[in-house]
Amino acid sequence: KNQVEQSPQSLIILEGKNCTLQCNYTVSPFSNLRWYKQDTGRGPVSLTIMTFSENTKSNGRYTATLDADTKQSSLHITASQLSDSASYICVVSPYNQGGKLIFGQGTELSVKP
Amino acid sequence: EPEVTQTPSHQVTQMGQEVILRCVPISNHLYFYWYRQILGQKVEFLVSFYNNEISEKSEIFDDQFSVERPDGSNFTLKIRSTKLEDSAMYFCASRQTRKAGELFFGEGSRLTVL
Repeated sequence: KNQVEQSPQSLIILEGKNCTLQCNYTVSPFSNLRWYKQDTGRGPVSLTIMTFSENTKSNGRYTATLDADTKQSSLHITASQLSDSASYICVVSPYNQGGKLIFGQGTELSVKP
Repeated sequence: EPEVTQTPSHQVTQMGQEVILRCVPISNHLYFYWYRQILGQKVEFLVSFYNNEISEKSEIFDDQFSVERPDGSNFTLKIRSTKLEDSAMYFCASRQTRKAGELFFGEGSRLTVL
């Protein structure tokens, strides 16, 4: 069964610190892997999109990595800000299934002053 | 910046009532989607829509659900006879192309069924 699992479930860090969020997936074959940020009660906002052939993708302070062999991805956030507090969701798009994305449960990040 | 807009932001309805959730996708986008997120759970795919017809749907999207693009700009999700378990946040999304392009989500419509 196609699944996306994330860890940790929640994380608290101090402002200015770095953190890394993990994603493991069983979706195969897959077309691309995305990381989204979702503020409470809001829609998901795309951070990065990586195809199966890409290993890393950066977007400002966000850097995503992908290891298609081990089916793992990570999202690294540097110099965290209070506004980074949100749920970070790993999303995998199965091959040739368009927008039928499979979402992880998210990691709830809380950045404290 | 273009965005996907959804109305209403919150709707409360009685069990058994019909509900229509509305979405205005980004204007040059061709692929449209509905997702839902039950409180505390993962976002789940419901249906994708292209060229005025459903292209894919999940097992959640049963006969109680329907989608329509009535006028070339709106994209609606109808729930014919709501159940308590339909209470969720419903997200509309759109994309310009089918391939690995960015999927833009709306802010969601929260449906509460009493």
